[in-house]
Amino acid sequence: AQTVTQSQPEMSVQEAETVTLSCTYDTSENNYYLFWYKQPPSRQMILVIRQEAYKQQNATENRFSVNFQKAAKSFSLKISDSQLGDTAMYFCAFMKHGSVGQTGANNLFFGTGTRLTVIP
Amino acid sequence: KAGVTQTPRYLIKTRGQQVTLSCSPISGHRSVSWYQQTPGQGLQFLFEYFSETQRNKGNFPGRFSGRQFSNSRSEMNVSTLELGDSALYLCASSPYRQTDTQYFGPGTRLTVL
Repeated sequence: AQTVTQSQPEMSVQEAETVTLSCTYDTSENNYYLFWYKQPPSRQMILVIRQEAYKQQNATENRFSVNFQKAAKSFSLKISDSQLGDTAMYFCAFMKHGSVGQTGANNLFFGTGTRLTVIP
Repeated sequence: KAGVTQTPRYLIKTRGQQVTLSCSPISGHRSVSWYQQTPGQGLQFLFEYFSETQRNKGNFPGRFSGRQFSNSRSEMNVSTLELGDSALYLCASSPYRQTDTQYFGPGTRLTVL
């Protein structure tokens, strides 16, 4: 079974500063995907960034980047130049690679989330 | 493209009743997954449908069921509602060539009294 752990229930950061959210996971799979989703007060779950486990290069998406350490099973999210609109719950999620209909494929396993507040 | 839509957005039911929630995926997406979000249990996978067939199921009782139509729209049904079923129910769609990124709808907030 897959587990995803986010050890920081709450964090805060000053506007324009940088913050890093931590995520560790446990799996026996070799091929999988990792995601960060944000859920603002509107409750809409929004994809932030995605990382394929077979890629050594860390994914980046504008101000968002990850530090993916496969051996350590660590997947942290760095937000640079934090903006007020970044205030949200951030969820780390795991999905194993699989074919259509394969058990467990295409299921997201979520961590418990980190509530990030950007302070003006 | 329009995003994933869910109806209704809010719902209040009483114990023992049943409820049906609806999800329309992004155009062209063939896989629909459902998740339950509660403060106590967090986000949990309910089930996934692809080509009108349930492909995967989470660890939920049989009171939770779903179906998918030929146009990929999906419905989720909960029978004999319990207080603990109060939650935000999220639907997500993906193209599902193989493993694909899931895109979420705004959710349906169900309150059971």
